[in-house]
Amino acid sequence: DGGITQSPKYLFRKEGQNVTLSCEQNLNHDAMYWYRQDPGQGLRLIYYSQIVNDFQKGDIAEGYSVSREKKESFPLTVTSAQKNPTAFYLCASSPRQREKKLFFGSGTQLSVL
Amino acid sequence: AQSVAQPEDQVNVAEGNPLTVKCTYSVSGNPYLFWYVQYPNRGLQFLLKYITGDNLVKGSYGFEAEFNKSQTSFHLKKPSALVSDSALYFCAVRELSGGYNKLIFGAGTRLAVHP
Repeated sequence: DGGITQSPKYLFRKEGQNVTLSCEQNLNHDAMYWYRQDPGQGLRLIYYSQIVNDFQKGDIAEGYSVSREKKESFPLTVTSAQKNPTAFYLCASSPRQREKKLFFGSGTQLSVL
Repeated sequence: AQSVAQPEDQVNVAEGNPLTVKCTYSVSGNPYLFWYVQYPNRGLQFLLKYITGDNLVKGSYGFEAEFNKSQTSFHLKKPSALVSDSALYFCAVRELSGGYNKLIFGAGTRLAVHP
């Protein structure tokens, strides 16, 4: 988990509310990723970014939005359009080279009130 | 599209016995394969990777994995299991799409090591 900080550790969302999950890295990595983890389904990719001011939709991007204004930051917003947001959210980063491993943050558990 | 499959939801093994966690892959081209481990309420930790070269890859905490091209498998192994190895294990494959890299994960296998 070293080098990647996710906050908060626990987050609660009210109906119709947007919430933002923070992810910061000090590893000087170009690429950053957001994954969603549900029990029994493994990790599914929400969004990813290879460089600043550029990002791509993953497999389950609907109801989510991201920004990449700084190399070290990749916040994820869970919008009210995401009808089933309860999950464990993981942020990761890696150098751009494709053989390089991902480094993960410690995750944010999002629950709906 | 690249994919990996982990056919077992859970693996149970007695402490001191060898363990195997299975993974099969489906890729076009040469596979870049990874194993990660997750402890409760934590992020994933890298164990090992296969890019090219020797089919037996050694990783962290005494784990190793065997790449088998003919069987399209990348099983995780350890000669002697510890109770502290109990965790959730993920196999993953790197996908290159339109110049972008991303990691595709399997559903995970829960390893339970009993004293």
